[in-house]
Amino acid sequence: GAVVSQHPSRVICKSGTSVKIECRSLDFQATTMFWYRQFPKKSLMLMATSNEGSKATYEQGVEKDKFLINHASLTLSTLTVTSAHPEDSSFYICSADSDRMGEQFFGPGTRLTVL
Amino acid sequence: GENVEQHPSTLSVQEGDSAVIKCTYSDSASNYFPWYKQELGKRPQLIIDIRSNVGEKKDQRIAVTLNKTAKHFSLHITETQPEDSAVYFCAASSGYSGAGSYQLTFGKGTKLSVIP
Repeated sequence: GAVVSQHPSRVICKSGTSVKIECRSLDFQATTMFWYRQFPKKSLMLMATSNEGSKATYEQGVEKDKFLINHASLTLSTLTVTSAHPEDSSFYICSADSDRMGEQFFGPGTRLTVL
Repeated sequence: GENVEQHPSTLSVQEGDSAVIKCTYSDSASNYFPWYKQELGKRPQLIIDIRSNVGEKKDQRIAVTLNKTAKHFSLHITETQPEDSAVYFCAASSGYSGAGSYQLTFGKGTKLSVIP
């Protein structure tokens, strides 16, 4: 149980385009989902917290107009990187909190490369 | 906010030896401390966690200890095997994020290499 999927697993795009990443909880309802960014050989940095039916809460330094988050249902959250630039290239990972006890289940991640 | 420090950043051990990774946290209100193992290009996988109401937890070759007074917790891996080689992250729950959920703050990671 507690499986989280992410799509796509890898995407390459041109600078200036937008990319949408989906995060799904497959066998449970996730009231809260989290979006992280991880640069090579670095730790996971929380970008935003997404609660179903409400606006996402962004961490300091993360531009909400650039990283659009939608959590329309209890099983799906999406992250859209708008007008992507090479510096946005990173590994984006989502996680879901299933039982409100703190434990998070991670998706497999999306490798974004912006040319 | 919460700040989690993790040491060492790299650790090499001989197969069969023990490995210990230590973390400290700053927020005395934190009450959940998971450890994740991440292989290159893969998702972090929870290997063990501990809550503030216990001081130690063990699962086969893996154990975690928590000292709330000193605000530090440690991961212990015994009888290490080559497949234990990976990056390990500690984390601490750092604050209420709404709808009953809590954010995690991660340490910077420890790259463990087990030499056959």
